Amino acid sequence: GENVEQHPSTLSVQEGDSAVIKCTYSDSASNYFPWYKQELGKRPQLIIDIRSNVGEKKDQRIAVTLNKTAKHFSLHITETQPEDSAVYFCAASPPSWGTSYGKLTFGQGTILTVHP
Amino acid sequence: EAQVTQNPRYLITVTGKKLTVTCSQNMNHEYMSWYRQDPGLGLRQIYYSMNVEVTDKGDVPEGYKVSRKEKRNFPLILESPSPNQTSLYFCASSWSGRTYEQYFGPGTRLTVT
Repeated sequence: GENVEQHPSTLSVQEGDSAVIKCTYSDSASNYFPWYKQELGKRPQLIIDIRSNVGEKKDQRIAVTLNKTAKHFSLHITETQPEDSAVYFCAASPPSWGTSYGKLTFGQGTILTVHP
Repeated sequence: EAQVTQNPRYLITVTGKKLTVTCSQNMNHEYMSWYRQDPGLGLRQIYYSMNVEVTDKGDVPEGYKVSRKEKRNFPLILESPSPNQTSLYFCASSWSGRTYEQYFGPGTRLTVT
């Protein structure tokens, strides 16, 4: 089955700096890679996702890059703000034509702290 | 308001006492799923359901049961809870063609003593 590794487990930055979180996956058939943000005491929420045939996707201060050959993808947050402080999870989703469609494998999570 | 609800939100129980955590969604989603969240382990999928009467095992199904008799409901059953099932549980739902885009419930904090 799919295995997703996420690094670092904790990340501390100053407000205004950039933050990068990296994930690797094992199943080359995986074709969607979402990122979820979980604020303290709250539920995870999708913030951005990327499809396997796309190398980069941006949404304001957030961007995700994907290297399908190396099987890794990254979340980039620019101009970080204190409200970006949260736990971030990457995940990998198999293709709809596969037998494991419906499984979503998450990374271990990264606790991001943005200091004012 | 579109939402996923779970009940109860907090539960303390004893080893071996059967319990059910309910999950309901009002978005007419075909797909529903259960996860447990433990420190350092991320979110791990327990079971998922692509539609009514269709359920599949996730990565950590041992000790859990599910059923999907109605589209909106997906209860999680622990027939004989053990302390290692102490965890934060999340239910989620999505459209069947977009299972990477899941909407999570508020979570259920379960403690088994």
